[in-house]
Amino acid sequence: NAGVTQTPKFQVLKTGQSMTLQCAQDMNHEYMSWYRQDPGMGLRLIHYSVGAGITDQGEVPNGYNVSRSTTEDFPLRLLSAAPSQTSVYFCASSRREAYGYTFGSGTRLTVV
Amino acid sequence: AQRVTQPEKLLSVFKGAPVELKCNYSYSGSPELFWYVQYSRQRLQLLLRHISRESIKGFTADLNKGETSFHLKKPFAQEEDSAMYYCALQNSGGSNYKLTFGKGTLLTVNP
Repeated sequence: NAGVTQTPKFQVLKTGQSMTLQCAQDMNHEYMSWYRQDPGMGLRLIHYSVGAGITDQGEVPNGYNVSRSTTEDFPLRLLSAAPSQTSVYFCASSRREAYGYTFGSGTRLTVV
Repeated sequence: AQRVTQPEKLLSVFKGAPVELKCNYSYSGSPELFWYVQYSRQRLQLLLRHISRESIKGFTADLNKGETSFHLKKPFAQEEDSAMYYCALQNSGGSNYKLTFGKGTLLTVNP
């Protein structure tokens, strides 16, 4: 049981490049979310999903896309990277009941 | 709209002293509240959830619906408690997918 797995752990992008942050969970959780963590800002919700085929925007969705074709996977796509997207990104998953989310180990992204 | 407020960005105590990290929330329904801890450059770990009324690593938290607070307490702080602590609220109703975080409190326990 690996929990929530994120890849890569570190990434440096040039402005304008695109990339996909991977997230997979093996707990059969219905809910999955992407957060970004910035100093002094806490964690802010980017996108979330309540089940396969269903996604919606969170608090800071601009510049990011998501899809959820399976229960296990919830990739986050950066369309055209900008320096403002330099951050630590966390993926998390939860059961339908409100028992709290389980987090991945994070991806530290730097956009230059 | 749901909101979580952690009024202290930084909290510094000495080893063996009591510690209280404050958390206030606003939510019109019946919330589920959590404390998460993040040690340096690690993932967030669930520390406590109010529904289970448990004590983890000596920490406890009581939900006070009258004061809309969920403060985290430990009677005797240890150096290994130094970390970032986040209070979080999850809806208990139909939209319970959304977990809202406070901005966090960085706890430093000095020797």
